[in-house]
Amino acid sequence: AQKVTQAQTEISVVEKEDVTLDCVYETRDTTYYLFWYKQPPSGELVFLIRRNSFDEQNEISGRYSWNFQKSTSSFNFTITASQVVDSAVYFCAPHPGNQFYFGTGTSLTVIP
Amino acid sequence: KAGVTQTPRYLIKTRGQQVTLSCSPISGHRSVSWYQQTPGQGLQFLFEYFSETQRNKGNFPGRFSGRQFSNSRSEMNVSTLELGDSALYLCASSGGWTSGRQETQYFGPGTRLLVL
Repeated sequence: AQKVTQAQTEISVVEKEDVTLDCVYETRDTTYYLFWYKQPPSGELVFLIRRNSFDEQNEISGRYSWNFQKSTSSFNFTITASQVVDSAVYFCAPHPGNQFYFGTGTSLTVIP
Repeated sequence: KAGVTQTPRYLIKTRGQQVTLSCSPISGHRSVSWYQQTPGQGLQFLFEYFSETQRNKGNFPGRFSGRQFSNSRSEMNVSTLELGDSALYLCASSGGWTSGRQETQYFGPGTRLLVL
């Protein structure tokens, strides 16, 4: 069984602050991919970042970075120097096999 | 490259009717997946098609069906609509699994369905 947990329902930060979104993915699978998507008010899911489970090297892509710890099944996603345009709902989406699972999402509000 | 397109963008139907939603994937993508998003249940996987074959199916009743054409365009059909089918229906396309690597899914803008 798969379980995706995004414990933070809503987060508010002031512009230019860094913000970290938490995601815990519990699974018996040893190989999978994990994606982060952003859903602005318009409704379209926008791909942000991806990584696989067999590489624990942390990555940075522009203002986005993430920290993967396999021992705790956590994939924490960080936005550096947040901007108002970052306000959206963020979903972590593990992908074992042929199916995507989505967390319940974290609503981020960046206050100017 | 054009993104994933979905038509129509908005739809209002009444209970008992049926509806067909359309999705055109990114050129070259052979995998199309459908999702239902509601405030109560969040994002839920409906099914995935790859090269005209349904490869995976989520936990939805048989009223929800789909198909994929040879040009990878996909349609989703919901028969005997219920009030609870009101949702945002999202379509996503990807290259599928290539060389042992899962390709990223790219989403369309969605179709907002309201059932009265």
